[in-house]
Amino acid sequence: GALVYQYPRRTICKSGTSMRMECQAVGFQATSVAWYRQSPQKTFELIALSTVNSAIKYEQNFTQEKFPISHPNLSFSSMTVLNAYLEDRGLYLCGARQVSGNTLYFGEGSRLIVV
Amino acid sequence: GDSVIQMQGQVTLSENDFLFINCTYSTTGYPTLFWYVQYSGEGPQLLLQVTTANNKGSSRGFEATYDKGTTSFHLQKTSVQEIDSAVYYCAMRAGGNYKPTFGKGTSLVVHP
Repeated sequence: GALVYQYPRRTICKSGTSMRMECQAVGFQATSVAWYRQSPQKTFELIALSTVNSAIKYEQNFTQEKFPISHPNLSFSSMTVLNAYLEDRGLYLCGARQVSGNTLYFGEGSRLIVV
Repeated sequence: GDSVIQMQGQVTLSENDFLFINCTYSTTGYPTLFWYVQYSGEGPQLLLQVTTANNKGSSRGFEATYDKGTTSFHLQKTSVQEIDSAVYYCAMRAGGNYKPTFGKGTSLVVHP
């Protein structure tokens, strides 16, 4: 079956430092990867959509300068939160989609805590 | 633009009660509709999806019918159990847009 692993599950970082998170697709080829942030109120914000061999598309209010993403192959993507502050707290979710599919398969998320 | 509106807040039920969570969508495209479930401490899992209008999706006793006439995709379950306690998200992906639009989630709490 299609599985998505995210690492790390949880990070506590000091205000102004950075956190890198990874997303690994297992059992399928992740043509597209969508990075979301889930707020404490449980709502989803789409950060960016990354498709292999295409430009990464960032949503309004999110930039490459703040959330650089790498998607080098069909099984792996990473995203960094640069200069994290309190407003960057939340659960960062990676949703991966295979070539012929409609469905996003999500990982468990990487929780960012900023102190 | 595309949007998904679902009943927000918390639904509290007892075991064997009937569950109904409202979801409506808006799009100019041809949507695929999803329900995801997120258990505490985990990522969202696909519960069911429907691509074709007027079809019904079902999984683990949950059902949802893609009603094109009312642009709705309500989630139902005849008899909920305590293990169904989770947050449920209605989502939509329309046409060539590969990024699903999510509703704000409905928290279900089932008491034994």
